[in-house]
Amino acid sequence: GIQVEQSPPDLILQEGANSTLRCNFSDSVNNLQWFHQNPWGQLINLFYIPSGTKQNGRLSATTVATERYSLLYISSSQTTDSGVYFCACREDSNYQLIWGAGTKLIIKP
Amino acid sequence: GAGVSQTPSNKVTEKGKYVELRCDPISGHTALYWYRQSLGQGPEFLIYFQGTGAADDSGLPNDRFFAVRPEGSVSTLKIQRTERGDSAVYLCASSLTLRTAQYFGPGTRLTVL
Repeated sequence: GIQVEQSPPDLILQEGANSTLRCNFSDSVNNLQWFHQNPWGQLINLFYIPSGTKQNGRLSATTVATERYSLLYISSSQTTDSGVYFCACREDSNYQLIWGAGTKLIIKP
Repeated sequence: GAGVSQTPSNKVTEKGKYVELRCDPISGHTALYWYRQSLGQGPEFLIYFQGTGAADDSGLPNDRFFAVRPEGSVSTLKIQRTERGDSAVYLCASSLTLRTAQYFGPGTRLTVL
């Protein structure tokens, strides 16, 4: 089955900094989602982005399906951005999401 | 509108007991999924439903785990003879169709003593 790898595993930044999180996947996908898991454990949908570019406020994401990667950009980081960011993909042959191990982001004030 | 809801939010039980975890999907969503997440890891797929039928239960770890969705809306995950290794956060998600974004509930934290 498909493999999903995220990098970096951990990231510590000062408030106001920008960051780029990467997700590589091993096969073609028909769904890719980015999630933020907050310190209380809630998974929050950020983007549904099997291809192309989307922006939502300080966050944007780009998926290049032909090269099998996706990037999540966070600009002007705030302490509330802290948490774990997950990339999850769905391959053509089934409908379950396959998850990366996540990037743990800590934003220091 | 209302999101996915799960009850209870926390469940503590003793080894060997039976537990039921409930999921209420977003109204109108035909697909429903169960995952579980252990500390420090990403979610792990268990089962998904399209309507009332379990379309893929390949992620259920063994026959102590069972899930139903009798009317195509609410789903219940049932665990028999619980073991300490079953302790995890059980997450439910729903999507409008099998090909659209999945939205997650807050999870049920299960602790087996």
